[in-house]
Amino acid sequence: SQKIEQNSEALNIQEGKTATLTCNYTNYSPAYLQWYRQDPGRGPVFLLLIRENEKEKRKERLKVTFDTTLKQSLFHITASQPADSATYLCALPASGGSYIPTFGRGTSLIVHP
Amino acid sequence: DTAVSQTPKYLVTQMGNDKSIKCEQNLGHDTMYWYKQDSKKFLKIMFSYNNKELIINETVPNRFSPKSPDKAHLNLHINSLELGDSAVYFCASSPLLETQYFGPGTRLLVL
Repeated sequence: SQKIEQNSEALNIQEGKTATLTCNYTNYSPAYLQWYRQDPGRGPVFLLLIRENEKEKRKERLKVTFDTTLKQSLFHITASQPADSATYLCALPASGGSYIPTFGRGTSLIVHP
Repeated sequence: DTAVSQTPKYLVTQMGNDKSIKCEQNLGHDTMYWYKQDSKKFLKIMFSYNNKELIINETVPNRFSPKSPDKAHLNLHINSLELGDSAVYFCASSPLLETQYFGPGTRLLVL
């Protein structure tokens, strides 16, 4: 089954800088990949979905890239704000043709004012 | 206005008890899920129902039994609770079998 690796160490950055989070996966290449945001004590919230034939997807200050050769997705937040502080989860199908979502452990982002 | 709601938000109980968690979604989605998030923050799928029918049943003890009375509701009943069941349980729904819309979670503590 799919294994997802996200940096378990928190990412600390200064307000206004660009935050870049990494999601690496092993085994097969998924048809799509998703990013979610989770705040303490709350459920994950869907942010972006990128498909295997898309190199890049943007939504306001968010940008996601998907490199199927490197088996990696990068999640960028430009002009970061303290309100962006949260845990960001990467999710993809558990195996080829499967719709069972597998989530990474998430990376905590802390934006300092 | 709540899209996916769960009750209760907190559940503290003794080992061996039976408890239920309720979930409702008003998004009109066909598919609903139960997830477990453990203390290490791993979010793992437990069950999925599509139009009241079970479509995903991951390796979960028989003590856990989901019930979907209609498309908008998916409840989770847990028998003979164990210490290891302590976790946060999230209900979710999706319009297609991709993007998940999560509820606020139920924090279960088994003493």
